[in-house]
Amino acid sequence: AQTVTQSQPEMSVQEAETVTLSCTYDTSESDYYLFWYKQPPSRQMILVIRQEAYKQQNATENRFSVNFQKAAKSFSLKISDSQLGDAAMYFCAYRSEYGNKLVFGAGTILRVKS
Amino acid sequence: GAGVSQSPSNKVTEKGKDVELRCDPISGHTALYWYRQSLGQGLEFLIYFQGNSAPDKSGLPSDRFSAERTGGSVSTLTIQRTQQEDSAVYLCASSLLYLTAGERGEKLFFGSGTQLSVL
Repeated sequence: AQTVTQSQPEMSVQEAETVTLSCTYDTSESDYYLFWYKQPPSRQMILVIRQEAYKQQNATENRFSVNFQKAAKSFSLKISDSQLGDAAMYFCAYRSEYGNKLVFGAGTILRVKS
Repeated sequence: GAGVSQSPSNKVTEKGKDVELRCDPISGHTALYWYRQSLGQGLEFLIYFQGNSAPDKSGLPSDRFSAERTGGSVSTLTIQRTQQEDSAVYLCASSLLYLTAGERGEKLFFGSGTQLSVL
């Protein structure tokens, strides 16, 4: 079974600075998808960024980018120019190419200091 | 509606009682998921519905948990004889599978969840 590990329960960043959230996963599959979700206090999960395993190029979405290292099974999220609105719980998630469910990590709480 | 709607937002119940949690997915979305989020933990998959196919119930933790999806739209998650360890946020998500330029895609839209507290 696939597992997702987020080793940082909590992170802090100064407003306008850059922060990187770590995620590693374990799988024997070669085709899969990886995601970062943001969960603000409203509890509603919001997709931040998505990466297809077959793509070598790292995904980017405005201030959010990933460092995808397939061989190392690592998928970190970099948030540039951090804003107060970025404060939330961030979850890393995995889905098999042919699967129908997301496997989530335990989450990282991100605090942004003004 | 504009998004996935879940009700109630919060539910407090006594141990041993049955509860029903409701999810209204985005209109037209064929897939629907239920997840459970316990305090300080990630999301745990419970059940998946896709169109008229048999649901994937592999994540249901016990036979006290069941779910149905009527008419391919609204879904109800039922927990019978609730226990204190059932206390959690129950999240619903819906999605539409698509195939674009040979690439299979799916984007999940989550509701705000139901916070269940079993006393």
